[in-house]
Amino acid sequence: GDSVTQMEGPVTLSEEAFLTINCTYTATGYPSLFWYVQYPGEGLQLLLKATKADDKGSNKGFEATYRKETTSFHLEKGSVQVSDSAVYFCALDTGFQKLVFGTGTRLLVSP
Amino acid sequence: EAGVTQSPTHLIKTRGQQATLRCSPISGHTSVYWYQQALGLGLQFLLWYDEGEERNRGNFPPRFSGRQFPNYSSELNVNALELEDSALYLCASSPGQTFSGNTIYFGEGSWLTVV
Repeated sequence: GDSVTQMEGPVTLSEEAFLTINCTYTATGYPSLFWYVQYPGEGLQLLLKATKADDKGSNKGFEATYRKETTSFHLEKGSVQVSDSAVYFCALDTGFQKLVFGTGTRLLVSP
Repeated sequence: EAGVTQSPTHLIKTRGQQATLRCSPISGHTSVYWYQQALGLGLQFLLWYDEGEERNRGNFPPRFSGRQFPNYSSELNVNALELEDSALYLCASSPGQTFSGNTIYFGEGSWLTVV
């Protein structure tokens, strides 16, 4: 079945460090890929998405490129801030009206 | 524009009771989804409603049910509550079916605690 695998957390970084959170997927067909973020005490917010191979999603300094050859959608940011501390979820949608989520990666950014 | 709104924010119930959670989608959105975020289990798809009909459900027992009203709002009912039903229940909405490229937007969730 369809699945998403994310790197285990927590990821602990200092402010202004480079961030990579790995995400790989297994899916039949051609899924859309998403990164959602969950700040403490809040619901999920869509961070970025990509709907086809080689698409790059970007938002708030975060980027992820849909790599079909490696079935990956790694999240990157060049310089993290304390306010980026949150749980990040990679997800896919194969068009059957349900998102399949990874287990989430907690990011902790210290000043 | 208001986002997806859910109520109540927190709910405490006793094992064996029933819980009802409510969701109002973003204006103009016709599809509503329910997800369960239980500790240690991640986010699991529960139900999808579109145009008042249940269109798909996840791997949950029948005591999880719901409905969508003519105004597209929705409620999730959990009968015969068990301790492991304690979780954050997230509602989401989209303007239509997601294979058309529509994005799903989530509410802040309802915390259900079963004691």
